Amino acid sequence: IAGITQAPTSQILAAGRRMTLRCTQDMRHNAMYWYRQDLGLGLRLIHYSNTAGTTGKGEVPDGYSVSRANTDDFPLTLASAVPSQTSVYFCASSESERGRYNEQFFGPGTRLTVL
Amino acid sequence: AQSVTQPDIHITVSEGASLELRCNYSYGATPYLFWYVQSPGQGLQLLLKYFSGDTLVQGIKGFEAEFKRSQSSFNLRKPSVHWSDAAEYFCALSTDSWGKFQFGAGTQVVVTP
Repeated sequence: IAGITQAPTSQILAAGRRMTLRCTQDMRHNAMYWYRQDLGLGLRLIHYSNTAGTTGKGEVPDGYSVSRANTDDFPLTLASAVPSQTSVYFCASSESERGRYNEQFFGPGTRLTVL
Repeated sequence: AQSVTQPDIHITVSEGASLELRCNYSYGATPYLFWYVQSPGQGLQLLLKYFSGDTLVQGIKGFEAEFKRSQSSFNLRKPSVHWSDAAEYFCALSTDSWGKFQFGAGTQVVVTP
């Protein structure tokens, strides 16, 4: 593993189904983030975690949940998917100790279609 | 309230021509600014970042950006574009001490022969 991996690469999901998007990083970064990317809207923050064991809500958290049991993994769960959750999802991480100076490193994304 | 605006949704440029992408920000404190590039089907890659000091910062792939506090701008430039520069470009503002970002909506760059 080098950097951030996300799985699956893409998924088609029936509305109402539960889905977990996986994210793993090997850089030992404390902070991790989930974004969704939609045309014309850029990237919007769904949830974040500043350190293992803590999580917070971003700009568009409704319908999503996260957990951070350890440093490396940050799964995003859609409890009951709806078509408006069709999007490309990106996981990112950064070294939170340096605060606002930190760049974020991004995974390759998961393309999710909810029908 | 903090915000990032990229006024140009789409730019078409000829190969070899110069490129400038605009980014305007609104933030009450010292802005920490980033430019990322996203090639088709890929994640985001950092091009450059600005924290303080020199207002002209150099990045990878021949890109540079100029920070102008008086205009609340952080425009990205490249003197001569290559076909491989066709991508979507995002300006981002670091908004809190934990490093959360506010992204602009992005500018899609098309390079013609």
